[in-house]
Amino acid sequence: EAGVVQSPRYKIIEKKQPVAFWCNPISGHNTLYWYRQNLGQGPELLIRYENEEAVDDSQLPKDRFSAERLKGVDSTLKIQPAELGDSAVYLCASSLPGAGETQYFGPGTRLLVL
Amino acid sequence: KNEVEQSPQNLTAQEGEFITINCSYSVGISALHWLQQHPGGGIVSLFMLSSGKKKHGRLIATINIQEKHSSLHITASHPRDSAVYICAVRSRNKLIFGTGTLLAVQP
Repeated sequence: EAGVVQSPRYKIIEKKQPVAFWCNPISGHNTLYWYRQNLGQGPELLIRYENEEAVDDSQLPKDRFSAERLKGVDSTLKIQPAELGDSAVYLCASSLPGAGETQYFGPGTRLLVL
Repeated sequence: KNEVEQSPQNLTAQEGEFITINCSYSVGISALHWLQQHPGGGIVSLFMLSSGKKKHGRLIATINIQEKHSSLHITASHPRDSAVYICAVRSRNKLIFGTGTLLAVQP
C-alpha cells in the first residue's frame, strides 16, 4: 500500500517568492494534517482537515499561509510571500477519522528560503 | 514549560548498549506515540500507547498514565538505530510533540 506522498521533496526559493507543497494521503484516510518542523524541534501542527473541512487551523499564520483540500483527498499548502523564517520541513500526515488513530507521515518537503 | 518534555536531548551510546529515552507530559492524553526520524528522512511511527507496554523487535515502549511518563527502550543497540526519537501525545484531538532525542550509536 502506498504511503503518504509529498512533493516536492526539496525546494529552494528566494524570500518574497510564493511556494506550494502538495500532499496525497493514504487512500481511505479522511483526516489530513499539515505540520511544520523547524531544525532541532518537534513538528508543529498548522492545519487539520476532516474530509474537505478545515477543523483546526488555529496555528496557521493566515496572513501568508493558505491551504486547501477541495475534494477531500489531495491537499495543497501555500506560502505567499515566503520569509526567511519559513525555512523548515513541511510534513503531511493522514489518518482514519477518530481520536487516537495512528497518523502516517509523508517524507516531508524541506524548504529553504534565501 | 513545554507540555511534553523529553530526556535526554542528546544521547551517544556504544553498539550493544541498552538505551532508554524518557517522555513526561503535563496534559491529559488519550494516546502517546513514539516516532523515529532519520536525518533527511520522513517520520516513522514506532508505537502508539494508551496503557501498559508494547514490544516490537528490539524496541520496547512503556507508559505510566498515573505518573504521566513514558519510556522507549532499545535493546542491543545498533548504529542503524541512530536517529531522532520523538514523543507525541494526543490531547483534546491534537498531537503535541516533544522536542526529540538525538541518538547516536557508535560502532
